[in-house]
Formats: sequence, structure tokens, C-alpha cells
Amino acid sequence: GAVVSQHPSWVICKSGTSVKIECRSLDFQATTMFWYRQFPKQSLMLMATSNEGSKATYEQGVEKDKFLINHASLTLSTLTVTSAHPEDSSFYICSASPGQGPYEQYFGPGTRLTVT
Amino acid sequence: GNSVTQMEGPVTLSEEAFLTINCTYTATGYPSLFWYVQYPGEGLQLLLKATKADDKGSNKGFEATYRKETTSFHLEKGSVQVSDSAVYFCALRTNTGGFKTIFGAGTRLFVKA
Repeated sequence: GAVVSQHPSWVICKSGTSVKIECRSLDFQATTMFWYRQFPKQSLMLMATSNEGSKATYEQGVEKDKFLINHASLTLSTLTVTSAHPEDSSFYICSASPGQGPYEQYFGPGTRLTVT
Repeated sequence: GNSVTQMEGPVTLSEEAFLTINCTYTATGYPSLFWYVQYPGEGLQLLLKATKADDKGSNKGFEATYRKETTSFHLEKGSVQVSDSAVYFCALRTNTGGFKTIFGAGTRLFVKA
């Protein structure tokens, strides 16, 4: 149980375009979802936290107009990278939790974004 | 602020060798501590956790003990296998700031047959 999927697993886009990444909890309701960014050989950096039906809370230094997060249902959150640039190329990972608080987080397999 | 420091890798061991990956933390409040593992091409998986001081988390032969006096949570395994080759992340979560998980930099482990 507790499976989180991401789609696509790898995407290449041209500079200036937007790309949407989906995160789904397959067998539980995810009240809270987290979006992370992982640079090569580096750790995961939390970008934002989203609770179903509410606006996402972004970490300091993360541009909310560039990284649009929507958590419209208890099983789906999306991250849209708007007007992507090569420096946005990274590995994006989501995690989902069944509640707000000290609940287990379940991680998706990640999406590799390459902006050319 | 909250942070996690773990030993740099890569760590290369022969099969059946003893493994230690050091992890220390800085946190306000009373954090829960975690080790996650990321196998090649896969997402993070929870390996083990400990929620209070002196707790020992264990799974698949791996162990880590929550040491509040030394603010450490070192990962150990008595005899590694080739299949243990992966990246290991130490992490903490506190109830300050909304139960966010803070990760260490990750340690890559290579186990040779």
C-alpha cells in the first residue's frame, strides 16, 4: 500500500515553455503533499507544501509565480513550471501524507526535467 | 534552524563488510529521525525511523539509534550485500514549521561482490 506515482518520469522542454508534473496517491487520500527539488548528487530541497483545497505554502526563495502548485483533490497535486529556463532543469520529487501533522510521508519516483 | 549533516560519499565496501554512515542533526523541539534509501532509478523509500531519544530503528539488517546527547542517528549494518548499493538519506521532522522533513545531503554506497 501507500503508493505515490508521478507523471511524466522524464520530460524535455524548450526554454520559455511551461511543463506540468502530476503527483498522484494511488491507494490513500493525501491531505498534504510536498514538492521537492533535487540537484545532481545533492539533497532534496523542499519547495512547497500543499493541503487539499488550499493555496500552497512556499519555502523562502521559491518563486510561487514560477512554480505553480495545485492540489485540487485528495489524490492529485500538480506542479507547473512556467516559462522554463535551463536552470530549472532538475529532478522534482513529490511526497504525500494522509494528514497534516506527524503522519508518514510517501515519496513518488520523481520527474526529471530537462530544459533546452 | 533545523539541519542534518551526514558523511560524504561515495562509500565503497566489499560484500559482507560492516557499514556505518554517520548522521548528526540540529533541531528545535523534539524531532523524529529517519533514514531513507533511494535505489537507482527509484523513489525514496523509508528504511527506518525513531521518534524519541534512545529508540532504535531497524529494518532489513540496518539499525540506527536516536542519541540525543550526541544529536546523532548513525546508520549501521553488520554485513552489506551488493543489493544494498543505493543512496542513503538521513532526515528529521519536527512539529515546528508544519512537520516538514529536512534531509541530509545523501551518501552513496557501492558494494562490490
